[in-house]
Amino acid sequence: QSVLTQPPSASGTPGQRVTISCSGSSSNIGFNYVYWYQQLPGMAPKLLIYRNHQRPSGVPDRFSGSKSGTSGSLVISGLRSEDEADYHCAAWDDGLRGLVFGGGTKLTVL
Amino acid sequence: QVQLVQSGAEVKRPGSSVKVSCKASGGTFSSYGLNWVRQAPGQGLEWMGGIIPMYGTTTYAQKFQARVTIVADKSTSTAYLELTSLRSEDTAVYYCSRDQGSGYDYGMAVWGQGTTVTVSS
Repeated sequence: QSVLTQPPSASGTPGQRVTISCSGSSSNIGFNYVYWYQQLPGMAPKLLIYRNHQRPSGVPDRFSGSKSGTSGSLVISGLRSEDEADYHCAAWDDGLRGLVFGGGTKLTVL
Repeated sequence: QVQLVQSGAEVKRPGSSVKVSCKASGGTFSSYGLNWVRQAPGQGLEWMGGIIPMYGTTTYAQKFQARVTIVADKSTSTAYLELTSLRSEDTAVYYCSRDQGSGYDYGMAVWGQGTTVTVSS
């Protein structure tokens, strides 16, 4: 059972806009940053979004992040086949004194 | 461009210990937070703990507090994860990852290739 809650799956067709949610609590997302990682099959995770909405260099602006209250969201615009991957959210948890992850969302591009 | 290269796959017996290494090359080692994250087969990511090599300060996830040790050797730019009292549930891919900043709050931008640890009798 993960501390952060994500939908196990999401899907969309090429060109569509997809939103993946990440629900937490006041001890994690409520007062701390949200991070998003993309993991292609058989590969190590890749940082997509840090500090709620910041993109590392090289990450396309099709990927955007936001936070509201105790939830975070990842939006992928102009969906492409290469976006098919697992997406993981994370946040620091003050009660647990550590980084916590969501269970991951498997994105399928139809 | 910094790279993290991890040690090879391990097969361990229940009750034993494993030590995984993570060597940084091509960049600064000491100034950034270094994390260990694992992923059991078909499961999500799980943070185990981290170290700030410059200071040697560590922080561990409560779940692993009693069984995990993370150290860093600045002279060789290598971090180590040791996990004791192994059980079958510890079978996973173990990743080291480097934060973009000096702590744990700028996101893990550089990852090792992963080390598969299999615990089986």
